[in-house]
Order: sequence, then C-alpha cells, then structure tokens
Amino acid sequence: GAGVSQSPSNKVTEKGKDVELRCDPISGHTALYWYRQSLGQGLEFLIYFQGNSAPDKSGLPSDRFSAERTGGSVSTLTIQRTQQEDSAVYLCASSKPYQETQYFGPGTRLLVL
Amino acid sequence: DAKTTQPNSMESNEEEPVHLPCNHSTISGTDYIHWYRQLPSQGPEYVIHGLTSNVNNRMASLAIAEDRKSSTLILHRATLRDAAVYYCILRDDRGSTLGRLYFGRGTQLTVWP
Repeated sequence: GAGVSQSPSNKVTEKGKDVELRCDPISGHTALYWYRQSLGQGLEFLIYFQGNSAPDKSGLPSDRFSAERTGGSVSTLTIQRTQQEDSAVYLCASSKPYQETQYFGPGTRLLVL
Repeated sequence: DAKTTQPNSMESNEEEPVHLPCNHSTISGTDYIHWYRQLPSQGPEYVIHGLTSNVNNRMASLAIAEDRKSSTLILHRATLRDAAVYYCILRDDRGSTLGRLYFGRGTQLTVWP
C-alpha cells in the first residue's frame, strides 16, 4: 500500500518568507509526527498528533513554527518568517493507534537563502 | 527517555555478519529497545525492536543482554544496501505514553564490496 507522502520534495525560499510543508500519512494511522534533520545532525522531534487529543508541541523551536492536522489525516507544518537556520530536511512519520513502529516519509528539503 | 551510546562508525565487507552495539545503562524496566536505519537521502525505516528476549525478523536479529544495559543489532550477511546510519532508541511503549522517538547520532555503517 501507499506509504507516507510529503510535498514538496524540495523547497527553496528567501529569508523572511512563509512556507507550508504537507504530509499525507498512511491511511488508518491516527498518530502523526514531524521531525527535522539539519545537515549532518540527528533527527529532532517537532510535534506529535494522536487522534483527537491535543498535540504535543513541545519540540517546536519557536513560535514561528506551527502545525495543524485537518480531519485526522493530512498535516501541514508552517514556518513563518523563515530564517537560514531553518534550512533542513523536514520528515513526517505516522503510526497505527498505539503501535510502536513509525513509518517515515521521504522528507521535504528546505533551503532558506 | 533514557540515553543510548553507539559508536560513530563501523565498517564491514559484503556478505559478512555485522554486529552493531548499543549501550543503554540507564534503561528502565518499561523501555523497549528500537532500531531504525536511515539510508542516504531517505527517511528512517524501522528495523526491529524488543524488550527482554532476543528477536529475529527478516531484516535482522536483536540480541539483548540479560541485564538489558546493552544490546546488539546483528545483520547476518551485510549487503551494499545495508550501508546506512543505524539508530538505537529507547522508548516506553506503554500505550498511553507512545510518542516521539529520540534519535541520537547513530552509527554510520559502511559496507565494502
């Protein structure tokens, strides 16, 4: 079946602009996660959605970052007033209800000039 | 989540077994040991996980020390496709507390033909 998909694959933007990154989780997966990976670094947790529960936003690095999940499926990560340090690969993952395994998408490579 | 320690890099020849170690001396009784790997330019993928007993699946084996303070991921016959960064992660998998994965720096495995 289809895996986690993310769009766009690559995004180049200018400093100060807003960007939206999209994640389509695997059908039936109620948990959705956003991570980011800066060049040569490990993965950094950003935000976690589980069903209709309030999201765990504890990993968002600043108030310029926000995410929403509409209808319990598609999620959008928004970065406002982008900065050069926001350049990274943004990864989305999903999992079945209360299942241990997370399935990752291919990521969106964001470059802020 | 408890911290894990892995070597920065390891090398192997193709078709030889590979033993990737992980130390987790502060593991708690409810922490599961998860392994993910990340191939170049891809999102991480699940490899295996376990609690106390050794585990086998089609990708690898997981050997867990009796005191659970260390574990070893075993690739029985390395292939060029196994070249990746391997992450050892501890997570409390009790259903109500499922959430983020804490990725460290992992072990970069190089496989030589």
